[in-house]
Amino acid sequence: DQQVKQNSPSLSVQEGRISILNCDYTNSMFDYFLWYKKYPAEGPTFLISISSIKDKNEDGRFTVFLNKSAKHLSLHIVPSQPGDSAVYFCAASSIRRGSTLGRLYFGRGTQLTVWP
Amino acid sequence: NAGVTQTPKFQVLKTGQSMTLQCAQDMNHEYMSWYRQDPGMGLRLIHYSVGAGITDQGEVPNGYNVSRSTTEDFPLRLLSAAPSQTSVYFCASSHRQGGLGNQPQHFGDGTRLSIL
Repeated sequence: DQQVKQNSPSLSVQEGRISILNCDYTNSMFDYFLWYKKYPAEGPTFLISISSIKDKNEDGRFTVFLNKSAKHLSLHIVPSQPGDSAVYFCAASSIRRGSTLGRLYFGRGTQLTVWP
Repeated sequence: NAGVTQTPKFQVLKTGQSMTLQCAQDMNHEYMSWYRQDPGMGLRLIHYSVGAGITDQGEVPNGYNVSRSTTEDFPLRLLSAAPSQTSVYFCASSHRQGGLGNQPQHFGDGTRLSIL
């Protein structure tokens, strides 16, 4: 059973507009969340993360929002650029003492296409 | 700074053959892991290691063996290749997480494996 879910396999957005990628999780032990970006024929690269003590983290054009009560997080990209076209993976882990430190659980990914 | 290096990049095997996928990192990371990526399935954890001499199973360990004799290397062995193991394999590493530290995993560029 998937503990991290990305229910939209694809998203298409016009350049300059906002891209919103969504992610849901089921395990309440998760306390650290990450977004990875993946281009074809390359490995995933880390984009941005958030710990459960925060509800927002911002890095340039990228902002991640966390709603713990809803077990939901989202990645906002503003403004979207054609170079942002990639697969975006949501991932979660637990860093609490006694848990499996560092183990990541991934969603299935969302293909973002930004068109001119 | 090479980061995470995976070899080979491509491999074709016949059913029943064995082989080892190599993974090396030069960042002195304690934590290393192997994932497989299949279409529509995201990344699934095969095996992971939290340090030299310590390994554990992930979600899909059957048909694979690992060992961690050094901090730098984490090879993945296919014992008897099956068509179901056709996939893209990614190795990742990070510092061992603790507290509320931000320790994203770094990925290699993958090994594309086809089993005929």
